[in-house]
Amino acid sequence: AQSVTQLGSHVSVSEGALVLLRCNYSSSVPPYLFWYVQYPNQGLQLLLKYTSAATLVKGINGFEAEFKKSETSFHLTKPSAHMSDAAEYFCAVSEGNNDMRFGAGTRLTVKP
Amino acid sequence: DVKVTQSSRYLVKRTGEKVFLECVQDMDHENMFWYRQDPGLGLRLIYFSYDVKMKEKGDIPEGYSVSREKKERFSLILESTSTNQTSMYLCASSLGQGYNEKLFFGSGTQLSVL
Repeated sequence: AQSVTQLGSHVSVSEGALVLLRCNYSSSVPPYLFWYVQYPNQGLQLLLKYTSAATLVKGINGFEAEFKKSETSFHLTKPSAHMSDAAEYFCAVSEGNNDMRFGAGTRLTVKP
Repeated sequence: DVKVTQSSRYLVKRTGEKVFLECVQDMDHENMFWYRQDPGLGLRLIYFSYDVKMKEKGDIPEGYSVSREKKERFSLILESTSTNQTSMYLCASSLGQGYNEKLFFGSGTQLSVL
């Protein structure tokens, strides 16, 4: 079955600094990959998704992710962190069988 | 926008009690899902359903059952709660036309079993 590993349960950056959240996946077929964000006391919201159309995917709030098949990675980046980006971020993978698997999550803290 | 509504935000139950967690979506989605979220473990799939009266086990179905009598409603049932079922439970739905469909999530139910 498909699976996802997120490296780093907690990432802390200064406001204005680069955000890099790491995700590696395992899949027996070409995967569909997602990043979700969860703000405090809320459900998850989709940030972006990869569906094989382009390897660099742009999402909401200035985030983007690059699919690298050779590295089985789908890291999330944002050039300049904002205080409002503080949240928990989840990488997820789907193989087309109506179920999605999530990583353990990375909590992003943004320092003023 | 799609709305996924979970009936309770917080629940406190005693060990051995039966619990129903209700989830309703308002956009005629085919697929519905129940996950539990625990710190350090992320979201783990309990059950999902791709049609009325259909259900599939996820990764951790033990101790849980589900019911989908109507397309818009997907219930998670804990027949006899135990303390290790203390968790945040998240319901989600998706359109169901393909495997690249995003999930829409409810706000979650925090269940505490004493």
